[in-house]
Amino acid sequence: DSGVTQTPKHLITATGQRVTLRCSPRSGDLSVYWYQQSLDQGLQFLIHYYNGEERAKGNILERFSAQQFPDLHSELNLSSLELGDSALYFCASSVDGGGVETQYFGPGTRLLVL
Amino acid sequence: DAKTTQPNSMESNEEEPVHLPCNHSTISGTDYIHWYRQLPSQGPEYVIHGLTSNVNNRMASLAIAEDRKSSTLILHRATLRDAAVYYCILRDVAHGGSQGNLIFGKGTKLSVKP
Repeated sequence: DSGVTQTPKHLITATGQRVTLRCSPRSGDLSVYWYQQSLDQGLQFLIHYYNGEERAKGNILERFSAQQFPDLHSELNLSSLELGDSALYFCASSVDGGGVETQYFGPGTRLLVL
Repeated sequence: DAKTTQPNSMESNEEEPVHLPCNHSTISGTDYIHWYRQLPSQGPEYVIHGLTSNVNNRMASLAIAEDRKSSTLILHRATLRDAAVYYCILRDVAHGGSQGNLIFGKGTKLSVKP
């Protein structure tokens, strides 16, 4: 158990809909990262938040957005969903956000868009 | 983009050592070599990391070539639980927090036979 929790574990929805994925980092960790894992693209970095502020963006679509709240949990919002958004979404946390810190991953949310 | 090259797959017998290679010919002086693995249906987990010297921890050993252009993750006695995709990732400490995200390649899928 990494100490990172993600809800829900599974999510099935329809195209055009909007969903919210939630992540609670390990106690004391200030950084939260979101990653998407699909069969064809592998694991890809989406976005990084540090202590409530956006720190870096990766291959995140404009239809996707995220935020980190004062209690440090984070939410990833996916809107206007398309079939291709079906994937595993992982969040990870680290103490600070430096270049060599260990990241601890949650169990993921499996999203299926029908 | 990932700056490492790994074999797509490897096989091992249970209780035998496994050597997982990684080439990183363009490594810079500030790049740390990190290894993560992803067990089936789980999020990635940290394995080990190093800069120049060989490293050991309870999970594995990391052997780094003298010129740092390659490294090898060593599992001393593979178990069935070690069957996973192993990712070799370079992380530049010089970028600090703005580049804290992990850049995953395709990794090496390790199969362990009983």
